[in-house]
Amino acid sequence: EIVMTQSPATLSVSPGERATLSCRASQSVSSNLAWYQQKPGQAPRLLIYGASTRATGIPARFSGSGSGTEFTLTISSLQSEDFAVYYCQQYNNWPSVTFGQGTKLEIK
Amino acid sequence: EVQLVESGGGLVQPGGSLRLSCAASGFTFSSYWMSWVRQAPGKGLEWVANIKQDGSEKYYVDSVKGRFTISRDNAKNSLYLQMNSLRAEDTAVYYCARSSIYSYGSIPFDYWGQGTLVTVSS
Repeated sequence: EIVMTQSPATLSVSPGERATLSCRASQSVSSNLAWYQQKPGQAPRLLIYGASTRATGIPARFSGSGSGTEFTLTISSLQSEDFAVYYCQQYNNWPSVTFGQGTKLEIK
Repeated sequence: EVQLVESGGGLVQPGGSLRLSCAASGFTFSSYWMSWVRQAPGKGLEWVANIKQDGSEKYYVDSVKGRFTISRDNAKNSLYLQMNSLRAEDTAVYYCARSSIYSYGSIPFDYWGQGTLVTVSS
């Protein structure tokens, strides 16, 4: 099983600032990496797939990068609605997929 | 508009059974892989099961193999999860989600339902 490790567990950032979230895979997943956003009481929402492609309707302030085992989600200028929990997921081994444990992005 | 609506959750005793349903609309259901993903209270996301477009292939996380069965009815645009021998650790919100999986590129879990809560307790 491919283990996905996200860091940090919690990230405190002020509105308008940049946030950088990390995700590491225990073995190469090529570019088969997705990012999801989840707000309290809501279902997750796909933000990024293919490591760097924004999903439909996702604002340009969200960007993804990386390949192999190291990945980054960057939110360029945090808006109030961006404070949430973010999960990375590998699907290189589809149909077996694994999620990271999540990073909580909170207001500083 | 793509919609996925889960139902069938509730309180069940350990060792009991429950069948979850997911009603799909707004897209060609038979063209997509479908999945169940769960989230225990206060915890992260855990993939549970996947089923291919025609139902010919099914895959499960190890912790539910032999106890859970994923199925679909393309004529009814519906996805199911039969859960048997339920344990306390199966307590979670269960989401259904769709994916586009192709050799030339994939889009995983691009739409999710709102989830249905399963509580396993005596």
